[in-house]
Amino acid sequence: NAGVTQTPKFRVLKTGQSMTLLCAQDMNHEYMYWYRQDPGMGLRLIHYSVGEGTTAKGEVPDGYNVSRLKKQNFLLGLESAAPSQTSVYFCASGLAGKIEQFFGPGTRLTVL
Amino acid sequence: RKEVEQDPGPFNVPEGATVAFNCTYSNSASQSFFWYRQDCRKEPKLLMSVYSSGNEDGRFTAQLNRASQYISLLIRDSKLSDSATYLCVVIGGNNRLAFGKGNQVVVIP
Repeated sequence: NAGVTQTPKFRVLKTGQSMTLLCAQDMNHEYMYWYRQDPGMGLRLIHYSVGEGTTAKGEVPDGYNVSRLKKQNFLLGLESAAPSQTSVYFCASGLAGKIEQFFGPGTRLTVL
Repeated sequence: RKEVEQDPGPFNVPEGATVAFNCTYSNSASQSFFWYRQDCRKEPKLLMSVYSSGNEDGRFTAQLNRASQYISLLIRDSKLSDSATYLCVVIGGNNRLAFGKGNQVVVIP
């Protein structure tokens, strides 16, 4: 099992560009999450999904959109990137009713 | 007050020594508590859950103090491989995980 994978690992964008981060999990988990981690800050939840076709806002959803068309994939989109979105983005997944979350290796995004 | 607060450190500890640190939480109704470990430039991984009665896993001991609203992690006989950031995690509002900023531990040879 690959667990949770994220694509790409690194990306540099210019202000105003758009991009999509892909998260995939092969553990048949119902729940999936997108977090961002910034220096001096804890992990902050952007959006999450409790099942295929459903998404919900987390703590810091502005400037991001998500989609969960397939159970195993959770996409995070930036429509118009801003320097404030420079961060490390982690995807995580977990079983319904279970607390433990399994994290992907992260995507390091820089917006110039 | 932040949901979860941790002193980022770093906590410099000689190899073989014991190190302990706390995490405070603001929501008195919180029921579930965890410690995650995050290595430099890696993803967080679950280290251990924290039970009301406390729990031990090898050299690691976690305690919960509900009255003072903090959890603690103690590492005995520190190894170089214990160098990492330890994230305190609490089930916060809306049943979601709330992460602290982490306690950075540096084990010195």
